Amino acid sequence: GNSVTQMEGPVTLSEEAFLTINCTYTATGYPSLFWYVQYPGEGLQLLLKATKADDKGSNKGFEATYRKETTSFHLEKGSVQVSDSAVYFCALRRFGNEKLTFGTGTRLTIIP
Amino acid sequence: DTGVSQNPRHKITKRGQNVTFRCDPISEHNRLYWYRQTLGQGPEFLTYFQNEAQLEKSRLLSDRFSAERPKGSFSTLEIQRTEQGDSAMYLCASSLNLYRANTGELFFGEGSRLTVL
Repeated sequence: GNSVTQMEGPVTLSEEAFLTINCTYTATGYPSLFWYVQYPGEGLQLLLKATKADDKGSNKGFEATYRKETTSFHLEKGSVQVSDSAVYFCALRRFGNEKLTFGTGTRLTIIP
Repeated sequence: DTGVSQNPRHKITKRGQNVTFRCDPISEHNRLYWYRQTLGQGPEFLTYFQNEAQLEKSRLLSDRFSAERPKGSFSTLEIQRTEQGDSAMYLCASSLNLYRANTGELFFGEGSRLTVL
């Protein structure tokens, strides 16, 4: 079946540090991959996505590249800010299927 | 605010009682989804609607759970004879039809937290 494995948290970094949150997946076919973010007191919102191998999704300074050979979609940001503190979820969706499969989430805290 | 709206935000109930949650999606979205999230876990798919038709249900959705979307607008999720294991955050999301918009993006509400004592 489909599954997503995420780097366990919580992760605590200082402002302006480099961020990587690892995500690997197991799926049949060629799924679309997503990162969703949940800020405190808010609903989940899409951060970025990639729909095919070697695609790079980017938004708000975050990037993730769809790596089919390593079945990975790691989230990176070169310089984090306090406002990036949130819970980050990696997710996949198989083509033609409505169901999103999420990882367990990684809580990120950025300290000034 | 034209986002996804869920009510109530928090419900505390005793075991064996029935509860109902309501979701109002973004108005032009024809697809509506329910997910459940327990502490320390990611959201798990429960069911989804296209307009008023319920097209898929997860095995997680036992016969105590029923979801409806009359007239293809708002949706309700009812849990009968609640159990302590039903305690979770129930998330609603909406989207445009995948093939028409092809974005794959879901817009989530803030969730309804259920606590069963």
